Amino acid sequence: NAGVTQTPKFQVLKTGQSMTLQCAQDMNHEYMSWYRQDPGMGLRLIHYSVGAGITDQGEVPNGYNVSRSTTEDFPLRLLSAAPSQTSVYFCASSTGTGSSGTQYFGPGTRLLVL
Amino acid sequence: AQSVTQLDSQVPVFEEAPVELRCNYSSSVSVYLFWYVQYPNQGLQLLLKYLSGSTLVKGINGFEAEFNKSQTSFHLRKPSVHISDTAEYFCAVSGGATNKLIFGTGTLLAVQP
Repeated sequence: NAGVTQTPKFQVLKTGQSMTLQCAQDMNHEYMSWYRQDPGMGLRLIHYSVGAGITDQGEVPNGYNVSRSTTEDFPLRLLSAAPSQTSVYFCASSTGTGSSGTQYFGPGTRLLVL
Repeated sequence: AQSVTQLDSQVPVFEEAPVELRCNYSSSVSVYLFWYVQYPNQGLQLLLKYLSGSTLVKGINGFEAEFNKSQTSFHLRKPSVHISDTAEYFCAVSGGATNKLIFGTGTLLAVQP
């Protein structure tokens, strides 16, 4: 199993550009989520999904869109990048419902918005 | 709403000394509690979790944590740390009707020789 994979590893964007961060898992987990990690702020939940076709907002959803057309994939879209979105982004998938399950994290995507 | 507080942003400790990383949570419903570890330039991995039952939970790498409902705490301990334990440690809480996992701000454990 590859586990949770994320692409790209690094990305530099200009303000106003759009991009999609890819996330895939091969563990057949129903629950997937996106976090951003900023110094001194820990991980903050952006969006999550409890299964294909079902998504919901986390703590900091503004400026980000998600969709879940398959169990395996959960892409995160930045519609119009802003410098405040400079961060490290982690995708995770979880056993069970998500509440009690173990989260498996990808290696992260480092995003710099100029 | 649930929240997690990790009061110590950094904990320096000498090798082979004991360590305790503090975590307090706030929730109006029953909770599940987790500790995750992040080594430099890596994603997070699970150390241990409390779902129910025994309040003393043992995890990987010799770590353990104790759930204390009256003090709403879930402190992480290790009796003797190693240089390789240097990492950032995150406490997290979930539960109730939501599937959300909420993380604390993290504690950097810096083990010195």
